[in-house]
Amino acid sequence: SQQGEEDPQALSIQEGENATMNCSYKTSINNLQWYRQNSGRGLVHLILIRSNEREKHSGRLRVTLDTSKKSSSLLITASRAADTASYFCARDSGGGADGLTFGKGTHLIIQP
Amino acid sequence: DSGVTQTPKHLITATGQRVTLRCSPRSGDLSVYWYQQSLDQGLQFLIQYYNGEERAKGNILERFSAQQFPDLHSELNLSSLELGDSALYFCASSVVAGAAGELFFGEGSRLTVL
Repeated sequence: SQQGEEDPQALSIQEGENATMNCSYKTSINNLQWYRQNSGRGLVHLILIRSNEREKHSGRLRVTLDTSKKSSSLLITASRAADTASYFCARDSGGGADGLTFGKGTHLIIQP
Repeated sequence: DSGVTQTPKHLITATGQRVTLRCSPRSGDLSVYWYQQSLDQGLQFLIQYYNGEERAKGNILERFSAQQFPDLHSELNLSSLELGDSALYFCASSVVAGAAGELFFGEGSRLTVL
């Protein structure tokens, strides 16, 4: 079953606004990763946050992790049309038994 | 460009047929992962190989099989194809054996079963 579930399923905002996507999971993790997928293309790694970290930044991206709530959020600031894509969280529960388990993603549309 | 190469990019075949998808990982990466992406199931982990050995198995059907060769490229064999096997199949690679680091994805092989 899908262990990383993103919310919302779809999000449409104006260019320049901030976009926030959330991810919930059910079991303990070693790390949680966020990936972006442009339509029909391969996934691209954005950021990895380890279970002992609470917040991480990379350019316009900010990821938070709350292990007590088993949730993570991805914030994209000052959105651009090129940010239009699907965003997935993926959890690593350790041991490599499942590979990375991906959620179904949030489809983000940035309106120019 | 992730450095992961998948062929073919598109494949159209009929039910009951068999196809082989090929993946060349990034130079230096020993782990290869196969994922299936469909609209209803999302991204499903199929199988992982590390340096030629099967390391982890996910939701891979018995009709599907994979292997990793000494030169580290991998092939995913899909047989007795059904309509429901139509999907985008991704290969990803990483340096480490587990999923502790980022995965580098290829552009996928889109399989259409008619």
